Amino acid sequence: DQQVKQNSPSLSVQEGRISILNCDYTNSMFDYFLWYKKYPAEGPTFLISISSIKDKNEDGRFTVFLNKSAKHLSLHIVPSQPGDSAVYFCAASAGTDKLIFGTGTRLQVFP
Amino acid sequence: DVKVTQSSRYLVKRTGEKVFLECVQDMDHENMFWYRQDPGLGLRLIYFSYDVKMKEKGDIPEGYSVSREKKERFSLILESASTNQTSMYLCASTSPRSGVATQYFGPGTRLLVL
Repeated sequence: DQQVKQNSPSLSVQEGRISILNCDYTNSMFDYFLWYKKYPAEGPTFLISISSIKDKNEDGRFTVFLNKSAKHLSLHIVPSQPGDSAVYFCAASAGTDKLIFGTGTRLQVFP
Repeated sequence: DVKVTQSSRYLVKRTGEKVFLECVQDMDHENMFWYRQDPGLGLRLIYFSYDVKMKEKGDIPEGYSVSREKKERFSLILESASTNQTSMYLCASTSPRSGVATQYFGPGTRLLVL
């Protein structure tokens, strides 16, 4: 039972454009959501997070949107840069330090 | 900055060997986790620990065990390595004192079992 789903395994975006990565979840008890970025042969690095009491959190070029009624969150990257090319994982927790991860979306930003 | 280190970046082992993967964090975090990452499957939790000497099974504990003798160190043990344990292994840590569930990851160990 996949509680956190990233239905797009890959995404290709032109440099300078917006990248939108999507994530859906099924567990209504999730109260904290995170996005991680992972380069090949490296560990994931924390990117941005959002609490369930908010619907938007912004950090520079990265914005996460949460739609609780739809059980959907998205990560917007504007403008996209070649260095953003990586695998992005969304993750969720339900009041504990244990995270449930999605399967990842590979983003490629081309010139 | 949180620093999580893993003893090896790459390992090659033979089927049936006992394999030890070590993880050390320097931020006095109580909670430590072991995941494996496989293409199309994301990160799957193997074991985690909320304190020294404590361990909890994650989603895929079969074929693995762990040891947490010191707060900063969390070891993953493959008792008898098999080819289906070829994977990227990731260690992470966090502290409940931070108030949020953000986990910090090590660089990973890519294990190949022949």
